[in-house]
Amino acid sequence: EVQLVESGGGLVQPGGSLRLSCAASGFTFSSYDMHWVRQATGKGLEWVSAIGTAGDTYYPGSVKGRFTISRENAKNSLYLQMNSLRAGDTAVYYCARAHVGYYTWYFDLWGRGTLVTVSS
Amino acid sequence: DIQMTQSPSSLSASVGDRVTITCRASQGIRNDLGWYQQKPGKAPKRLIYAASSLQSGVPSRFSGSGSGTEFTLTISSLQPEDFATYYCLQHNSYPITFGPGTKVDIK
Repeated sequence: EVQLVESGGGLVQPGGSLRLSCAASGFTFSSYDMHWVRQATGKGLEWVSAIGTAGDTYYPGSVKGRFTISRENAKNSLYLQMNSLRAGDTAVYYCARAHVGYYTWYFDLWGRGTLVTVSS
Repeated sequence: DIQMTQSPSSLSASVGDRVTITCRASQGIRNDLGWYQQKPGKAPKRLIYAASSLQSGVPSRFSGSGSGTEFTLTISSLQPEDFATYYCLQHNSYPITFGPGTKVDIK
Protein backbone atom coordinates (compact mmCIF):
# COMPACT_ATOMS: atom_id res chain seq x y z
CA GLU A 1 0.00 0.00 0.00
CA VAL A 2 1.21 3.46 -0.89
CA GLN A 3 1.37 5.41 2.34
CA LEU A 4 3.22 7.78 4.62
CA VAL A 5 3.20 7.27 8.38
CA GLU A 6 4.50 9.94 10.72
CA SER A 7 5.78 9.30 14.23
CA GLY A 8 7.76 11.00 16.96
CA GLY A 9 5.33 13.66 18.08
CA GLY A 10 4.65 14.39 21.70
CA LEU A 11 4.91 16.92 24.51
CA VAL A 12 8.14 18.90 24.80
CA GLN A 13 9.13 21.90 26.87
CA PRO A 14 9.94 25.26 25.30
CA GLY A 15 13.54 25.26 24.17
CA GLY A 16 13.54 21.50 23.79
CA SER A 17 14.09 19.26 20.81
CA LEU A 18 12.12 16.59 19.01
CA ARG A 19 12.75 14.42 15.96
CA LEU A 20 9.88 13.46 13.72
CA SER A 21 10.00 10.52 11.35
CA CYS A 22 7.96 9.65 8.30
CA ALA A 23 8.00 6.08 7.01
CA ALA A 24 7.20 5.71 3.34
CA SER A 25 5.98 2.52 1.70
CA GLY A 26 4.59 1.30 -1.58
CA PHE A 27 6.59 3.60 -3.86
CA THR A 28 10.17 4.47 -4.81
CA PHE A 29 10.88 6.94 -2.02
CA SER A 30 14.22 8.11 -3.44
CA SER A 31 12.50 9.42 -6.59
CA TYR A 32 10.35 12.02 -4.84
CA ASP A 33 10.80 15.42 -3.26
CA MET A 34 9.40 15.29 0.26
CA HIS A 35 7.94 17.98 2.49
CA TRP A 36 6.71 18.71 5.98
CA VAL A 37 3.58 20.80 6.45
CA ARG A 38 2.08 21.74 9.80
CA GLN A 39 -1.26 22.90 11.10
CA ALA A 40 -1.97 24.41 14.49
CA THR A 41 -5.34 23.53 15.98
CA GLY A 42 -8.04 25.53 14.26
CA LYS A 43 -5.53 27.28 12.01
CA GLY A 44 -4.40 27.05 8.42
CA LEU A 45 -1.71 25.01 6.71
CA GLU A 46 1.91 26.14 6.95
CA TRP A 47 4.72 24.72 4.85
CA VAL A 48 7.68 23.81 7.05
CA SER A 49 10.43 22.29 4.93
CA ALA A 50 11.33 20.38 1.79
CA ILE A 51 14.09 18.08 0.64
CA GLY A 52 14.76 17.24 -2.96
CA THR A 53 15.89 13.97 -4.43
CA ALA A 54 19.46 15.29 -4.50
CA GLY A 55 19.31 16.29 -0.83
CA ASP A 56 18.77 20.01 -1.40
CA THR A 57 16.80 21.53 1.46
CA TYR A 58 14.45 24.49 1.87
CA TYR A 59 12.84 26.24 4.86
CA PRO A 60 10.66 29.25 5.61
CA GLY A 61 12.09 31.96 7.81
CA SER A 62 9.96 30.87 10.77
CA VAL A 63 11.93 27.63 11.23
CA LYS A 64 15.21 28.25 9.41
CA GLY A 65 18.15 27.60 11.70
CA ARG A 66 16.01 25.62 14.15
CA PHE A 67 14.61 22.77 12.03
CA THR A 68 16.55 20.35 9.83
CA ILE A 69 14.96 18.09 7.27
CA SER A 70 16.78 14.96 6.15
CA ARG A 71 16.11 11.69 4.38
CA GLU A 72 17.47 8.17 4.47
CA ASN A 73 16.54 6.53 1.18
CA ALA A 74 17.83 3.11 2.22
CA LYS A 75 15.25 3.14 5.01
CA ASN A 76 12.51 4.90 3.01
CA SER A 77 12.40 7.49 5.73
CA LEU A 78 12.06 11.24 6.08
CA TYR A 79 12.99 13.13 9.22
CA LEU A 80 12.50 16.52 10.80
CA GLN A 81 14.86 17.50 13.59
CA MET A 82 13.29 20.33 15.55
CA ASN A 83 15.40 22.33 18.00
CA SER A 84 14.75 25.41 20.14
CA LEU A 85 11.07 24.66 20.07
CA ARG A 86 8.56 27.39 20.86
CA ALA A 87 4.90 27.40 21.81
CA GLY A 88 4.14 28.60 18.29
CA ASP A 89 5.52 25.33 16.89
CA THR A 90 2.63 23.43 18.46
CA ALA A 91 0.78 21.76 15.59
CA VAL A 92 -0.01 18.58 13.74
CA TYR A 93 2.93 17.87 11.45
CA TYR A 94 2.18 16.19 8.13
CA CYS A 95 4.64 14.47 5.86
CA ALA A 96 3.76 15.01 2.18
CA ARG A 97 5.04 13.70 -1.13
CA ALA A 98 5.38 16.09 -4.04
CA HIS A 99 4.59 15.09 -7.59
CA VAL A 100 6.93 17.12 -9.79
CA GLY A 101 6.50 17.03 -13.53
CA TYR A 102 7.38 19.33 -16.40
CA TYR A 103 4.10 21.22 -16.15
CA THR A 104 2.77 19.75 -12.95
CA TRP A 105 3.51 20.11 -9.27
CA TYR A 106 1.33 19.14 -6.38
CA PHE A 107 1.21 17.27 -3.11
CA ASP A 108 -0.21 13.89 -4.06
CA LEU A 109 0.23 11.86 -0.89
CA TRP A 110 -0.10 12.87 2.74
CA GLY A 111 0.37 11.11 6.04
CA ARG A 112 -2.16 11.30 8.86
CA GLY A 113 0.03 13.63 10.88
CA THR A 114 1.71 13.59 14.27
CA LEU A 115 0.94 16.07 17.03
CA VAL A 116 3.70 18.16 18.55
CA THR A 117 2.85 20.12 21.69
CA VAL A 118 5.33 22.63 23.07
CA SER A 119 4.39 23.54 26.62
CA SER A 120 5.83 23.74 30.09
CA ASP B 1 8.53 35.77 0.20
CA ILE B 2 5.31 35.50 -1.78
CA GLN B 3 2.22 36.22 0.31
CA MET B 4 -1.08 34.57 -0.54
CA THR B 5 -4.47 35.99 0.38
CA GLN B 6 -7.87 34.40 -0.01
CA SER B 7 -11.35 35.82 -0.03
CA PRO B 8 -13.72 35.36 1.51
CA SER B 9 -12.31 33.81 4.67
CA SER B 10 -15.61 32.00 5.13
CA LEU B 11 -18.93 31.68 3.41
CA SER B 12 -22.28 30.06 3.99
CA ALA B 13 -23.97 28.43 1.04
CA SER B 14 -26.71 26.00 0.19
CA VAL B 15 -26.59 22.75 -1.74
CA GLY B 16 -26.78 23.60 -5.42
CA ASP B 17 -25.23 27.06 -5.06
CA ARG B 18 -22.39 28.26 -7.24
CA VAL B 19 -19.39 29.16 -5.08
CA THR B 20 -16.33 31.17 -6.06
CA ILE B 21 -13.19 31.59 -3.96
CA THR B 22 -10.45 34.02 -4.91
CA CYS B 23 -6.74 33.70 -4.19
CA ARG B 24 -4.25 36.51 -4.80
CA ALA B 25 -0.47 36.39 -4.83
CA SER B 26 1.71 39.31 -3.77
CA GLN B 27 3.72 38.92 -6.98
CA GLY B 28 3.31 37.07 -10.23
CA ILE B 29 3.50 33.30 -9.96
CA ARG B 30 2.56 32.33 -13.54
CA ASN B 31 0.19 29.40 -13.05
CA ASP B 32 2.20 27.75 -10.26
CA LEU B 33 -0.84 27.38 -8.03
CA GLY B 34 -2.89 24.53 -6.67
CA TRP B 35 -6.11 24.19 -4.71
CA TYR B 36 -6.66 21.77 -1.82
CA GLN B 37 -9.72 20.74 0.15
CA GLN B 38 -9.49 19.83 3.81
CA LYS B 39 -12.12 18.34 6.08
CA PRO B 40 -11.80 18.35 9.89
CA GLY B 41 -9.28 15.87 11.21
CA LYS B 42 -8.13 14.88 7.73
CA ALA B 43 -5.13 15.61 5.58
CA PRO B 44 -5.69 17.97 2.63
CA LYS B 45 -6.88 16.55 -0.67
CA ARG B 46 -5.66 17.91 -4.01
CA LEU B 47 -8.28 19.38 -6.34
CA ILE B 48 -6.58 21.56 -8.95
CA TYR B 49 -2.98 21.91 -10.16
CA ALA B 50 -1.34 24.39 -12.52
CA ALA B 51 -4.17 26.81 -11.65
CA SER B 52 -6.76 25.20 -13.90
CA SER B 53 -6.07 21.47 -14.33
CA LEU B 54 -8.46 19.15 -12.56
CA GLN B 55 -6.89 16.34 -10.61
CA SER B 56 -7.87 12.85 -11.66
CA GLY B 57 -10.95 11.67 -9.79
CA VAL B 58 -12.11 15.13 -8.75
CA PRO B 59 -15.69 15.95 -9.81
CA SER B 60 -16.05 18.27 -12.79
CA ARG B 61 -18.10 20.74 -10.73
CA PHE B 62 -14.74 21.98 -9.48
CA SER B 63 -12.79 24.30 -11.74
CA GLY B 64 -9.88 26.68 -11.44
CA SER B 65 -8.78 29.68 -13.42
CA GLY B 66 -6.30 32.51 -13.37
CA SER B 67 -2.66 33.30 -13.92
CA GLY B 68 -0.13 35.75 -12.58
CA THR B 69 -1.53 37.14 -9.37
CA GLU B 70 -5.25 36.37 -9.33
CA PHE B 71 -6.84 32.95 -9.24
CA THR B 72 -10.28 31.51 -8.62
CA LEU B 73 -11.72 28.19 -7.55
CA THR B 74 -15.32 27.64 -8.58
CA ILE B 75 -17.73 24.97 -7.44
CA SER B 76 -20.54 25.04 -9.98
CA SER B 77 -23.17 23.29 -7.87
CA LEU B 78 -22.28 22.77 -4.22
CA GLN B 79 -22.82 19.25 -2.92
CA PRO B 80 -23.10 18.12 0.73
CA GLU B 81 -19.62 16.58 0.62
CA ASP B 82 -18.09 19.90 -0.49
CA PHE B 83 -18.51 21.58 2.88
CA ALA B 84 -14.89 21.97 3.93
CA THR B 85 -12.00 24.42 4.04
CA TYR B 86 -10.22 25.29 0.80
CA TYR B 87 -6.60 26.41 0.50
CA CYS B 88 -4.60 27.75 -2.39
CA LEU B 89 -0.88 26.99 -2.53
CA GLN B 90 1.84 28.66 -4.56
CA HIS B 91 4.94 26.70 -5.54
CA ASN B 92 6.50 29.28 -7.87
CA SER B 93 9.35 29.89 -5.46
CA TYR B 94 10.51 28.91 -2.02
CA PRO B 95 9.25 29.36 0.59
CA ILE B 96 6.11 27.62 -0.60
CA THR B 97 3.10 29.43 0.82
CA PHE B 98 -0.50 28.52 1.45
CA GLY B 99 -3.38 30.92 1.47
CA PRO B 100 -5.11 31.35 4.84
CA GLY B 101 -8.06 29.22 3.78
CA THR B 102 -11.76 29.65 3.00
CA LYS B 103 -14.25 27.75 5.11
CA VAL B 104 -17.42 26.76 3.27
CA ASP B 105 -20.27 25.81 5.55
CA ILE B 106 -23.94 25.09 5.32
CA LYS B 107 -26.35 27.98 5.15
